[in-house]
Amino acid sequence: DVKVTQSSRYLVKRTGEKVFLECVQDMDHENMFWYRQDPGLGLRLIYFSYDVKMKEKGDIPEGYSVSREKKERFSLILESASTNQTSMYLCASTPGGGGAGETQYFGPGTRLLVL
Amino acid sequence: AQSVTQPDIHITVSEGASLELRCNYSYGATPYLFWYVQSPGQGLQLLLKYFSGDTLVQGIKGFEAEFKRSQSSFNLRKPSVHWSDAAEYFCAVGTASGGSYIPTFGRGTSLIVHP
Repeated sequence: DVKVTQSSRYLVKRTGEKVFLECVQDMDHENMFWYRQDPGLGLRLIYFSYDVKMKEKGDIPEGYSVSREKKERFSLILESASTNQTSMYLCASTPGGGGAGETQYFGPGTRLLVL
Repeated sequence: AQSVTQPDIHITVSEGASLELRCNYSYGATPYLFWYVQSPGQGLQLLLKYFSGDTLVQGIKGFEAEFKRSQSSFNLRKPSVHWSDAAEYFCAVGTASGGSYIPTFGRGTSLIVHP
């Protein structure tokens, strides 16, 4: 089975701190994604990556950056955390090469609280 | 651009009753269609998906969905709900845009199961 892990289930940070959220997948997937999930808003795409060192902005990239130095690892960075970034963050991956029909495999999520 | 509408924010059913969760999409051609489930505190898991062939698709956990092109709908059904089905359900559309394959998620429907 594909396994996507996220470094923390719960995280509490202070306003202005730099925050790193880590995601690792163990199935050699090409594509990786970061979403944030808020009640009533569903999943919104922050960034995605289709190859090592490649990244593309999603729908809500402001205030975030990403890093993909190795194929299996995709990091989300909050340069200066703000209270409006309190949310659930979900990482996902897809194998690549299967087009629009590929299944997304999700990690368990990181619930971030910014005080 | 594609869009997905889940008109019901919450659905409450009694255990053993039948279930139907609605999903409507907007897209010019036949898209890939997905249903994902998110149990409390967890990431999303694929229930089923459709692109072509038989318009009635069987998934895991006893769920099925029917694609109706004339109604642009992909409703999820289960004949008899179990208490463990209480979760958040997301419909998604997978399409190609500019060489990328990024799914669009609906806002989700929260299923509450009464004993």
